[in-house]
Amino acid sequence: GESVGLHLPTLSVQEGDNSIINCAYSNSASDYFIWYKQESGKGPQFIIDIRSNMDKRQGQRVTVLLNKTVKHLSLQIAATQPGDSAVYFCAEINSGGYQKVTFGIGTKLQVIP
Amino acid sequence: GAVVSQHPSWVICKSGTSVKIECRSLDFQATTMFWYRQFPKQSLMLMATSNEGSKATYEQGVEKDKFLINHASLTLSTLTVTSAHPEDSSFYICSARQVARVTTDTQYFGPGTRLTVL
Repeated sequence: GESVGLHLPTLSVQEGDNSIINCAYSNSASDYFIWYKQESGKGPQFIIDIRSNMDKRQGQRVTVLLNKTVKHLSLQIAATQPGDSAVYFCAEINSGGYQKVTFGIGTKLQVIP
Repeated sequence: GAVVSQHPSWVICKSGTSVKIECRSLDFQATTMFWYRQFPKQSLMLMATSNEGSKATYEQGVEKDKFLINHASLTLSTLTVTSAHPEDSSFYICSARQVARVTTDTQYFGPGTRLTVL
């Protein structure tokens, strides 16, 4: 989603449907990417990662796609459940130095029961 | 799995006072810890990178004299917000990177500390 200032973009999905959350990253030299899930009042939780030499990686119910040409990441969640409701952040990693994590703006996923 | 704790989980203080937040890696050693700040409905912004036994590296725009970071051991880093003001009210989150692991997903996040300055 596009940044709208201080308001997180929101994606509303019916329970059982698939969700696709998109993210544009900024540094073409980043070589590692992670999707995090953050529930209200909690720290980020690792979901899935992908290295820049890959374009797709699958986990349990989740798939991450990487398009380096347009610097775009997506997170696909299959059969979305109410427990998936949270804010999702993509993050790009500078693997040099201390592996600084740079977070994207985030997307709020609302699952409608 | 590796666990990172933060203490306190929330704190309310008066303007002008100092607040210390602790970040601990409970079952692993962390040479590097990171401190983030998150305002409501915004993303996490890296404040500083903390390395055990050395001075922290601060991101541009973060005042090192206001946000004091100490990484005294491989399992503990502290962030002290000095002379706190209402604009410092935020959610502070730390992460810890495990020693001797080469994959980046070994950076574990704490549960965060909610700071409210009156």
